[in-house]
Amino acid sequence: KNEVEQSPQNLTAQEGEFITINCSYSVGISALHWLQQHPGGGIVSLFMLSSGKKKHGRLIATINIQEKHSSLHITASHPRDSAVYICAVVASGSRLTFGEGTQLTVNP
Amino acid sequence: DGGITQSPKYLFRKEGQNVTLSCEQNLNHDAMYWYRQDPGQGLRLIYYSQIVNDFQKGDIAEGYSVSREKKESFPLTVTSAQKNPTAFYLCASSIAGFQETQYFGPGTRLLVL
Repeated sequence: KNEVEQSPQNLTAQEGEFITINCSYSVGISALHWLQQHPGGGIVSLFMLSSGKKKHGRLIATINIQEKHSSLHITASHPRDSAVYICAVVASGSRLTFGEGTQLTVNP
Repeated sequence: DGGITQSPKYLFRKEGQNVTLSCEQNLNHDAMYWYRQDPGQGLRLIYYSQIVNDFQKGDIAEGYSVSREKKESFPLTVTSAQKNPTAFYLCASSIAGFQETQYFGPGTRLLVL
């Protein structure tokens, strides 16, 4: 079992829908990252959080340390949101461990 | 503009050949990283460096080597000992360590002829 599990693996939505991507992890962590990878391969960091909730534009990330779970929400989704979304955790005193990613496709 | 550059975008390697992937950053970051990405798998850490003239092995360091002679540069050499080098290679940097936001380069796709 991977230390970081993402669900769903693939997600197709219609423009305007509210989207949720989940990340569960099995180890104690000091931080969690959400990343976005576009079809060309480039990766952009969206959020880094260790507790609570962060919001940037239409994106919201939450984390529940006790339940070892984080969610990434996209409100009013748009075709340009189509990408792979990657969750990564920093285990205490250690390195980044990455999930396999969630492929999101938003259709117009 | 500050950022990370990687070159080349595509690289072809012949059997038994060593090849070097370039990574340069002008963000004044202390920490730099090399990751490998294979289809259907999460990114895996090859090597990382948190300060000039020092670097540490990651999870899949066998068949790779690095140097960190300058703060701005962290080249990765894929040696002939790496038997399955075909992958997408990403370089990243952060201010200090893994708990900081990581900034990624555009990547280099390595193919074996």
